[in-house]
Amino acid sequence: DTGVSQDPRHKITKRGQNVTFRCDPISEHNRLYWYRQTLGQGPEFLTYFQNEAQLEKSRLLSDRFSAERPKGSFSTLEIQRTEQGDSAMYLCASSFLLNTEAFFGQGTRLTVV
Amino acid sequence: DAKTTQPTSMDCAEGRAANLPCNHSTISGNEYVYWYRQIHSQGPQYIIHGLKNNETNEMASLIITEDRKSSTLILPHATLRDTAVYYCIVRAVGIQGAQKLVFGQGTRLTINP
Repeated sequence: DTGVSQDPRHKITKRGQNVTFRCDPISEHNRLYWYRQTLGQGPEFLTYFQNEAQLEKSRLLSDRFSAERPKGSFSTLEIQRTEQGDSAMYLCASSFLLNTEAFFGQGTRLTVV
Repeated sequence: DAKTTQPTSMDCAEGRAANLPCNHSTISGNEYVYWYRQIHSQGPQYIIHGLKNNETNEMASLIITEDRKSSTLILPHATLRDTAVYYCIVRAVGIQGAQKLVFGQGTRLTINP
């Protein structure tokens, strides 16, 4: 399968714990995006990378959130001191530089209890 | 990015054409119209995009009005697997274009047997 891969698919954590999600984009894609989706809403942009550079961050990305893409390949999204409001689906997408279509992964569903 | 307006929900009979409207009256000359869909518990899937000419691919057809203020996504022979939330997005592309997709609420399309 050469699509966007996300791991884990589901994560249940206790409030206050740290969690980390991984995204493996399509191998030749330069751009990688993170989105968050809560129940009944469309996905909301969080941040994006061009190669290893993080070029834009949404105001939704509080100080407890950090994303990295150290070698311009896979990316991680870490949430520190999780809160119940962080419960959502976290989606990763990738695209070619200047290409138009973004391809999404299946997402990681986070539940904070 | 321009705002889009879509009906909240629609129904269509299996085997019939599903026509999903989208209004984007404030679209700019350099903005494309994109359609994505999201099947329950999966990541969004790219369907089609266009600038001003009608477009067709293996999944759907996109009809854009001459003034570009509205468009219609057509699924020619809807199947039960086409039941999903459909998002219409307008976005400028290229070096100066928007780097992210801005999702609205979308249209929940239900295909009935």
